[in-house]
Amino acid sequence: GEDVEQSLFLSVREGDSSVINCTYTDSSSTYLYWYKQEPGAGLQLLTYIFSNMDMKQDQRLTVLLNKKDKHLSLRIADTQTGDSAIYFCAEPGNTGKLIFGQGTTLQVKP
Amino acid sequence: NAGVMQNPRHLVRRRGQEARLRCSPMKGHSHVYWYRQLPEEGLKFMVYLQKENIIDESGMPKERFSAEFPKEGPSILRIQQVVRGDSAAYFCASSSGPGLATNEKLFFGSGTQLSVL
Repeated sequence: GEDVEQSLFLSVREGDSSVINCTYTDSSSTYLYWYKQEPGAGLQLLTYIFSNMDMKQDQRLTVLLNKKDKHLSLRIADTQTGDSAIYFCAEPGNTGKLIFGQGTTLQVKP
Repeated sequence: NAGVMQNPRHLVRRRGQEARLRCSPMKGHSHVYWYRQLPEEGLKFMVYLQKENIIDESGMPKERFSAEFPKEGPSILRIQQVVRGDSAAYFCASSSGPGLATNEKLFFGSGTQLSVL
């Protein structure tokens, strides 16, 4: 079945790195996504990775993909208080919809 | 270019009433997705529609819930005879083409918070 799993909560200090982990089930997924949800808002696409890559870097964001273990991670370098949000990983399900994990709430302490 | 527009932002209904949630996709987008978000449960897929067609309704409860995306006008998610358990944030998203496996990007609205008293 289609399932995406994430840990629910992560707390870091400002300036530290944050690593948010995700596991997925569909080995045929071509793209995997990270979305960010700020309080009271909808989800915004943060970054994505194509399945034939194992790493993608975009400024402070690094996405790592381990296809063998179906494990995806998002690393945020030099985490700021403005990074406090809920982070969702997502994979395409059948029929083209996106399947989301439960979301990881990132709390950044000053 | 306006983004995905959802209204109302907040909707309060009493048990047994009907709730209608509207979603206007981004300009040029013909694919609409509805998701429901409950606290600590993440975002659950409900239904995927293309103009005048339901593509995937595997996440829709079998009773009381329906969705449409007519040729003209917004997509509507309709909940009949609401119960307290329907209280949640309902998000609409749109894309310009099918198959998010091909890197079609999904854009979200700000959601409708439904509260059932």
